[in-house]
Amino acid sequence: AQSVTQPDIHITVSEGASLELRCNYSYGATPYLFWYVQSPGQGLQLLLKYFSGDTLVQGIKGFEAEFKRSQSSFNLRKPSVHWSDAAEYFCAVGPNFGNEKLTFGTGTRLTIIP
Amino acid sequence: KAGVTQTPRYLIKTRGQQVTLSCSPISGHRSVSWYQQTPGQGLQFLFEYFSETQRNKGNFPGRFSGRQFSNSRSEMNVSTLELGDSALYLCASSSHPTGGVGDEQFFGPGTRLTVL
Repeated sequence: AQSVTQPDIHITVSEGASLELRCNYSYGATPYLFWYVQSPGQGLQLLLKYFSGDTLVQGIKGFEAEFKRSQSSFNLRKPSVHWSDAAEYFCAVGPNFGNEKLTFGTGTRLTIIP
Repeated sequence: KAGVTQTPRYLIKTRGQQVTLSCSPISGHRSVSWYQQTPGQGLQFLFEYFSETQRNKGNFPGRFSGRQFSNSRSEMNVSTLELGDSALYLCASSSHPTGGVGDEQFFGPGTRLTVL
């Protein structure tokens, strides 16, 4: 069965500092990988996704993620965070065939300090 | 184009009651999925509907049910509510015809259900 681990429950970063959110997945084949962001009182918004090809994926709002098969990881990065990036971030994995649905990690809450 | 809308946004019920939540997908989207989000269990897939048919189902008891109408609007129903059903219920719509995860899901803001 597929699974996702986000080892960091809560991360605090200073505004302007770089950010890396960790995501490890378990899946028997090459999965589809996603990062979503959820602001308070809002639904989830897709930041980026990886299906195949270039392992460095660019997303919206200046985010990027790198797929590392050898480490079963798909970490999210941003070179310089803004106060508006404070939110909860979810990594998700899904199969690249069939109609199975996404499995989400438990999320990482990001706090930005001035 | 309007996003996914969910009604109501907040709901308070008591144990044993039943509840119906509504979701209107993005115009043209035919797939609607429902998720339950709780602090303890995170985001869990409930079920997915496509063209009025349930195409996929998560691991939830039969008290959780849903349906989809011909205009793609969807409802989910929870009967005999339990305290543990308190959660944020998210609806997501997608245009993907085969139901795979390859297409982006667009999420609504959710309905916050509190069971007392």
